[in-house]
Amino acid sequence: NAGVTQTPKFRILKIGQSMTLQCTQDMNHNYMYWYRQDPGMGLKLIYYSVGAGITDKGEVPNGYNVSRSTTEDFPLRLELAAPSQTSVYFCASRTGTASNQPQHFGDGTRLSIL
Amino acid sequence: LAKTTQPISMDSYEGQEVNITCSHNNIATNDYITWYQQFPSQGPRFIIQGYKTKVTNEVASLFIPADRKSSTLSLPRVSLSDTAVYYCLVGLISSGSARQLTFGSGTQLTVLP
Repeated sequence: NAGVTQTPKFRILKIGQSMTLQCTQDMNHNYMYWYRQDPGMGLKLIYYSVGAGITDKGEVPNGYNVSRSTTEDFPLRLELAAPSQTSVYFCASRTGTASNQPQHFGDGTRLSIL
Repeated sequence: LAKTTQPISMDSYEGQEVNITCSHNNIATNDYITWYQQFPSQGPRFIIQGYKTKVTNEVASLFIPADRKSSTLSLPRVSLSDTAVYYCLVGLISSGSARQLTFGSGTQLTVLP
């Protein structure tokens, strides 16, 4: 089982560049999430989705956009990269069939903006 | 938001039992309490989840008092490989709900030989 797969694993961007962080899951989960984790800190929710075609903002959405055209994929886009977006980004998913099901996380994308 | 408070760090020795407590004073009626483990350069991994009283699985136990304003993760007989950051998470997201999941800063557990 692949679970939650994130690509790329590492990336360096210049200020003002744009990029898309990819996330795909093969567990047929309805709920998907994007978090960022700054050094020594906990995870902060950026965006989430409760199903294809439905997305909503989390705690720190500014500077990011998402889309959910399929159940499997939940890409995160940075339009104008800024140094403050240097972080590790985690994607997660969970089934929506029961409200207490835990999240499954990918291994993260380490992004540096210089 | 269901904020959580945990100790920043804890040290233990191999073979000891470790208890990590999380405070969540404004937990809502429908909230579950979930604990995750995170190793460096990896995503968080689910350990255990509960709603009330006590839950036990093959790796840990979770104790939740009647008022549910706190919870305690218990790791029996820890080993060096249990050195990690442990997060307590309270809440859930469902369609139409404005409530958000909140990860605290976690507890860095260091197991010493």
